[in-house]
Amino acid sequence: AQKITQTQPGMFVQEKEAVTLDCTYDTSDPSYGLFWYKQPSSGEMIFLIYQGSYDQQNATEGRYSLNFQKARKSANLVISASQLGDSAMYFCAMRGGANNLFFGTGTRLTVIP
Amino acid sequence: DAGVIQSPRHEVTEMGQEVTLRCKPISGHNSLFWYRQTMMRGLELLIYFNNNVPIDDSGMPEDRFSAKMPNASFSTLKIQPSEPRDSAVYFCASSFLRDASSGANVLTFGAGSRLTVL
Repeated sequence: AQKITQTQPGMFVQEKEAVTLDCTYDTSDPSYGLFWYKQPSSGEMIFLIYQGSYDQQNATEGRYSLNFQKARKSANLVISASQLGDSAMYFCAMRGGANNLFFGTGTRLTVIP
Repeated sequence: DAGVIQSPRHEVTEMGQEVTLRCKPISGHNSLFWYRQTMMRGLELLIYFNNNVPIDDSGMPEDRFSAKMPNASFSTLKIQPSEPRDSAVYFCASSFLRDASSGANVLTFGAGSRLTVL
């Protein structure tokens, strides 16, 4: 069975600063994928970044990077140079063995001007 | 690309009524997912189709819920009879799955259908 844990219900960051959102996971599958999605107040789910379990390098997409530590089973999202528009809920998710996607409980990020 | 299209966007109904939520996935995608989002339970996977065939329906709460995918471009999620505890946002998502070991099976979500059962 897969499990995703996000222990930070809420986070605050000053505009232009970097912030790390934590995500730990548990799975018995040797091959898996980790995803981060953003959900702004408007409600849509927006894909941000993906990391495969066999990828050698940490994934990066613009201001988003994924700090993947396989031995620790963590896949933290790093947002650099935070902007006011980054205020949203952020969900970590893992691809299961049946290729479905399981989500964590989310972290609400608030960017302070 | 129009994205994943869900209807209705908002539905208010009374307990006991039948509710049908509709989804049109992205053309060319072969996997379709129904999720439910509530404050208490977060995002829950209800059911997942691959090539129009239900693969995993273990998340469907009970027999009042049913989902169909008659063709590659349309799916429905039906609740009959509806209850107040079914109030939630229901998301449909689709993706293109190359093979069973495919890594980046990125799901594209629809805007969601907000259901309120009085």
